[in-house]
Amino acid sequence: EAQVTQNPRYLITVTGKKLTVTCSQNMNHEYMSWYRQDPGLGLRQIYYSMNVEVTDKGDVPEGYKVSRKEKRNFPLILESPSPNQTSLYFCASSLGGDTYNSPLHFGNGTRLTVT
Amino acid sequence: GQSLEQPSEVTAVEGAIVQINCTYQTSGFYGLSWYQQHDGGAPTFLSYNALDGLEETGRFSSFLSRSDSYGYLLLQELQMKDSASYFCAVRLDNYGQNFVFGPGTRLSVLP
Repeated sequence: EAQVTQNPRYLITVTGKKLTVTCSQNMNHEYMSWYRQDPGLGLRQIYYSMNVEVTDKGDVPEGYKVSRKEKRNFPLILESPSPNQTSLYFCASSLGGDTYNSPLHFGNGTRLTVT
Repeated sequence: GQSLEQPSEVTAVEGAIVQINCTYQTSGFYGLSWYQQHDGGAPTFLSYNALDGLEETGRFSSFLSRSDSYGYLLLQELQMKDSASYFCAVRLDNYGQNFVFGPGTRLSVLP
């Protein structure tokens, strides 16, 4: 089954404790991205990647890191989480490229709470 | 900066037709997409307009006017299962699949 898999689904942590949220897709998609969703703000892009070793900042990259060492994986790293990073996070992938319609396929989300 | 506006809430009854509007001001524009998100779920793709006009997919249609920086999603023959949040999203560049999303419209379908 074609899918984007995020882990964990729920995560509670404390301020300053480094964490990683994993994301993997099995559709051979070029493009992957991370979004955070907060009430009334919609989905805001954190980082995106057009291919292996190619990443770029989205709208809200501060406090986050990403890496794309393999095409299928795109982990999100919070080196020193703070309470304002409490949010619902989604990973997404798409074919990308010069494609007329290349919809985003989302993972099931990771609800992160930082106390 | 990038700005997309949508109504925050819309309510309609089963069987009715509802239109959800989206206006945008963005630095680039390569198409307008619509996504549906049920409570507790992931956003799922509904439609995409790169050119002006109407695109129809079953009960859902989407319209775009690039000169007005405006689009809408039209849902016909509403069903209870259509109760969800709907997001418009602008694709900002032609290759990178860089998107900006609107704040979302919560649709409640009443019996």
